[in-house]
Amino acid sequence: QKEVEQDPGPLSVPEGAIVSLNCTYSNSAFQYFMWYRQYSRKGPELLMYTYSSGNKEDGRFTAQVDKSSKYISLFIRDSQPSDSATYLCAMSADNNNDMRFGAGTRLTVKP
Amino acid sequence: NAGVTQTPKFRILKIGQSMTLQCTQDMNHNYMYWYRQDPGMGLKLIYYSVGAGITDKGEVPNGYNVSRSTTEDFPLRLELAAPSQTSVYFCASSYGGVSGNTIYFGEGSWLTVV
Repeated sequence: QKEVEQDPGPLSVPEGAIVSLNCTYSNSAFQYFMWYRQYSRKGPELLMYTYSSGNKEDGRFTAQVDKSSKYISLFIRDSQPSDSATYLCAMSADNNNDMRFGAGTRLTVKP
Repeated sequence: NAGVTQTPKFRILKIGQSMTLQCTQDMNHNYMYWYRQDPGMGLKLIYYSVGAGITDKGEVPNGYNVSRSTTEDFPLRLELAAPSQTSVYFCASSYGGVSGNTIYFGEGSWLTVV
């Protein structure tokens, strides 16, 4: 079993749809949960991060963490063609510099 | 703003050759990292550094070496290249560690070993 599992997709949605992206993990020591967006042929860029359980909202993006289920989600409202990218979940434990990534979900938003 | 700069962007190596991937950052970050990204796999940490003169192994260090003589530079050395090292390599930096700090990535170096 991988430490971080993420459905690679691909996921295709029409413009304006609500997108749900998810990851599960097995290491209960993880406390920091991140979502990165990666455009083709580019490096990842941080979208959001959450500490421990709970929700966090930033514009059209909402991150949710459920530590009891070891499950994290990223929701994108009113999706736009510019949201087309690969979304990577990542997580780390306290005082640990080895961030573990999911495989990434490739998202296409069609106009 | 240059951020994290990696060179070269693309490189083809023959089996057994050696090369160095260069990485420099202009944000005065203490922490620097090297990751590799393979198709269908997440990024995996090769080596990291918490400051000049200090380096440590990540999840997949075999076949690589690093040095950190200055705050700005963190080169990654591949010795005796093997086909298994065909990958996309990302250098990254951050002010603090990965937990709770923004990690800034370079644009990647595509390496093929034939």
